[in-house]
Amino acid sequence: AQSVAQPEDQVNVAEGNPLTVKCTYSVSGNPYLFWYVQYPNRGLQFLLKYITGDNLVKGSYGFEAEFNKSQTSFHLKKPSALVSDSALYFCAVRDGNTNAGKSTFGDGTTLTVKP
Amino acid sequence: DTEVTQTPKHLVMGMTNKKSLKCEQHMGHRAMYWYKQKAKKPPELMFVYSYEKLSINESVPSRFSPECPNSSLLNLHLHALQPEDSALYLCASSLTGTSGGMEETQYFGPGTRLLVL
Repeated sequence: AQSVAQPEDQVNVAEGNPLTVKCTYSVSGNPYLFWYVQYPNRGLQFLLKYITGDNLVKGSYGFEAEFNKSQTSFHLKKPSALVSDSALYFCAVRDGNTNAGKSTFGDGTTLTVKP
Repeated sequence: DTEVTQTPKHLVMGMTNKKSLKCEQHMGHRAMYWYKQKAKKPPELMFVYSYEKLSINESVPSRFSPECPNSSLLNLHLHALQPEDSALYLCASSLTGTSGGMEETQYFGPGTRLLVL
């Protein structure tokens, strides 16, 4: 079975400071990891994904994430937060041993960036 | 064009009504998905179509009936819904949705916000 945990419901940072949104996962096969962002009353927007290769993945809007196999983590990071980054962030995982159509999402982390 | 469109944006219906949600994409994707999302919660997968065939039904009640008329369109027919079915319904698409497509990105539409009275 596949699962993903986002241990923080809420993350608050000041504009210009670095931000980290945490994600850990559990799979039986190879993990396929995704980050999405959701603004109020909108659908999910894809930020980045890890499939294989370089552990540091760069994505949209200056976000990046680091895959850490030993810690089963895929934390989302950005060097300098913007107020416009305030949104709900979801980490998702697919297990290489299961059906490709099924992604498991974390419960989400609300990021608030204050001016 | 990486856009998935959904209509209507908002829908209010009574428990005896029949209504349909529509989703459309023109990215050439052959997999389409329906998700249900409650406020501040993660999306919950309902159905997956791959090459116009239903490949996953997550034990969704029969009052929700999906339909995939062609590779670009996905409908969700609603009948005799309950107030607890009120939610944001999201449609998504990806390239193939098959077992070889684990790396595929899902592109989401903006959703239909449904209120059942």
